[in-house]
Amino acid sequence: DADVTQTPRNRITKTGKRIMLECSQTKGHDRMYWYRQDPGLGLRLIYYSFDVKDINKGEISDGYSVSRQAQAKFSLSLESAIPNQTALYFCATSETVQETQYFGPGTRLLVL
Amino acid sequence: EDQVTQSPEALRLQEGESSSLNCSYTVSGLRGLFWYRQDPGKGPEFLFTLYSAGEEKEKERLKATLTKKESFLHITAPKPEDSATYLCAVIWGSGTYKYIFGTGTRLKVLA
Repeated sequence: DADVTQTPRNRITKTGKRIMLECSQTKGHDRMYWYRQDPGLGLRLIYYSFDVKDINKGEISDGYSVSRQAQAKFSLSLESAIPNQTALYFCATSETVQETQYFGPGTRLLVL
Repeated sequence: EDQVTQSPEALRLQEGESSSLNCSYTVSGLRGLFWYRQDPGKGPEFLFTLYSAGEEKEKERLKATLTKKESFLHITAPKPEDSATYLCAVIWGSGTYKYIFGTGTRLKVLA
């Protein structure tokens, strides 16, 4: 089984809808991250969490919110989706010391 | 401005034709530089971590090196299965978390 899983893998939604992307991990890592990837722009950090009680904004947090329900679960919400949030979204985890990040398979989101 | 720049953006090689990918960075207080491989439609997969200038790491046909300003990913005698996008990322500074990815090099190895 995959160490980092994301659901759903694909999602089509309409402008103005609220949606949630979920991430679960079995690696036992404390740190979790949400990124979006757009062609030509690379991976950009949306939010990160160093433990259950710690949530931090990344480079592009506007329009997004997160919830860290447990060490193993980190959810990303789009409060009111807009077309320029169409992207590939990745969840990642890392150990505190080494910082190597382990990525999930991604969620492809299309906002119409 | 803190930046990570990868070059070239895209590279086409014949099978067996060795080459290098570059990742240059302008950050203060580098704590680590990471190389990842990303296949289409998948999440990045970790390859190497380098922590200090002069350090080298090898894995099969890949070798990563680090200087004070840049890192190289050398690919020796590549095969078609090495085709992927190669990303580098750096972590730097202290206190506030600072981790940034480059935009990647798309490598295509032709049989």
